[in-house]
Amino acid sequence: EVQLVESGGGLVQPGGSLRLSCAASGFTFNIYEMNWVRQAPGKGLEWVAHITTTGETRYYADSVKGRFTISRDNAKNSVYLEMNSLRGDDSAMYYCARPRGRLWPFDYWGQGTLVTVSS
Amino acid sequence: DVVMTQSPDSLAVSLGERATINCKSSQSLLYSFNNKNYVAWYQQKPGQPPKLLIHWASIRESGVPDRFSGSGSGTDFTLTIYNLQAEDAAVYYCQQYFITPPWTFGQGTKVEIK
Repeated sequence: EVQLVESGGGLVQPGGSLRLSCAASGFTFNIYEMNWVRQAPGKGLEWVAHITTTGETRYYADSVKGRFTISRDNAKNSVYLEMNSLRGDDSAMYYCARPRGRLWPFDYWGQGTLVTVSS
Repeated sequence: DVVMTQSPDSLAVSLGERATINCKSSQSLLYSFNNKNYVAWYQQKPGQPPKLLIHWASIRESGVPDRFSGSGSGTDFTLTIYNLQAEDAAVYYCQQYFITPPWTFGQGTKVEIK
């Protein structure tokens, strides 16, 4: 069974940093690209970051470019999101999401980890 | 970036009736090489992550009831829920996965039971 389990969320002050983790199981992790998608309270879905299978290529939403870094450790079946210079509008549920392949939608999602940026 | 615009923002439908959600993209999502539209539909219930219902605009995921139907091509797409059931109350999102990055979603449509 495919499972994605996020962790690392919490309360952080504006300007602070946080590192999110997503542990994957139930599939061959190193052949799948991975994404982070976030959802502010009561709002819609916003794609945040994407990483290819080897980590060689990474893409970011304009709203987080230069502040967030996506990475992965295929030996640990995990993908990470390092978040720096956090702002109030970064407060959201952060989901790890896996597409079935290149040019496929996200067929598996984790339950999410909540990030709250507030003083 | 491709902008996905859903309408309406919300709708209330009686049990057993039909719900229709529209999604319009700012660019064509039809790949002429294979004649596929790279549009997906998701369902999200409170406190849960999104669930993929439909890909390639009209192909239901395994286990998705056949009362969910996707249609459309190019820039205009529709999700129709026939014979609405109580468990279909949720927020529905369209997404394009053709012209990326970024992967973009519609703003969501909330379906309520009347």
